[in-house]
Amino acid sequence: EAQVTQNPRYLITVTGKKLTVTCSQNMNHEYMSWYRQDPGLGLRQIYYSMNVEVTDKGDVPEGYKVSRKEKRNFPLILESPSPNQTSLYFCASSLDRLRGTEAFFGQGTRLTVV
Amino acid sequence: GENVEQHPSTLSVQEGDSAVIKCTYSDSASNYFPWYKQELGKRPQLIIDIRSNVGEKKDQRIAVTLNKTAKHFSLHITETQPEDSAVYFCAAPPARNYKLTFGKGTLLTVNP
Repeated sequence: EAQVTQNPRYLITVTGKKLTVTCSQNMNHEYMSWYRQDPGLGLRQIYYSMNVEVTDKGDVPEGYKVSRKEKRNFPLILESPSPNQTSLYFCASSLDRLRGTEAFFGQGTRLTVV
Repeated sequence: GENVEQHPSTLSVQEGDSAVIKCTYSDSASNYFPWYKQELGKRPQLIIDIRSNVGEKKDQRIAVTLNKTAKHFSLHITETQPEDSAVYFCAAPPARNYKLTFGKGTLLTVNP
């Protein structure tokens, strides 16, 4: 089954404790990205990757890191989480962003930083 | 930067009525315009999309229209049903970079 898988689904952590949210897709998609969803602000792009070893900042990259060492995986790293990073996070992948293709979303990760 | 504005932010209709959500975009070279539906507690999923060489596309009760001159596109839902209640997002990927920015979403409520 074609899918994007995120883990964990729920996470409560303390300020400053490094964490990683994993994202994996099995569709051989080139483009992957991370979003955070907050009430009234919609889906805001954090980082995106056009292919292996190629990443770039989205609209709200501060406080986040990403890596793309393999085509299927695109982890989101919070080196020192803060309470303002409490949010619902989605990973998404698409075949080709430039030509415009459907984005498939993971099931979401609800992160709470206390 | 690229900008996608979506209106209204909330929309309440009676079952059976039509609903229209509009998005405007800034990059005149954008050529792909998708709409996503996010039900409560679930992930966004594509419901319909249109490319710039087409003015309108229909899929049963939903349709999307595109006005490239005015740089706006709209989602039309006819004969609304309670299961259409959700948040709807538009996107207009810019042609000049690889970002994928969404509108802020429209919460559609269909009252029985």
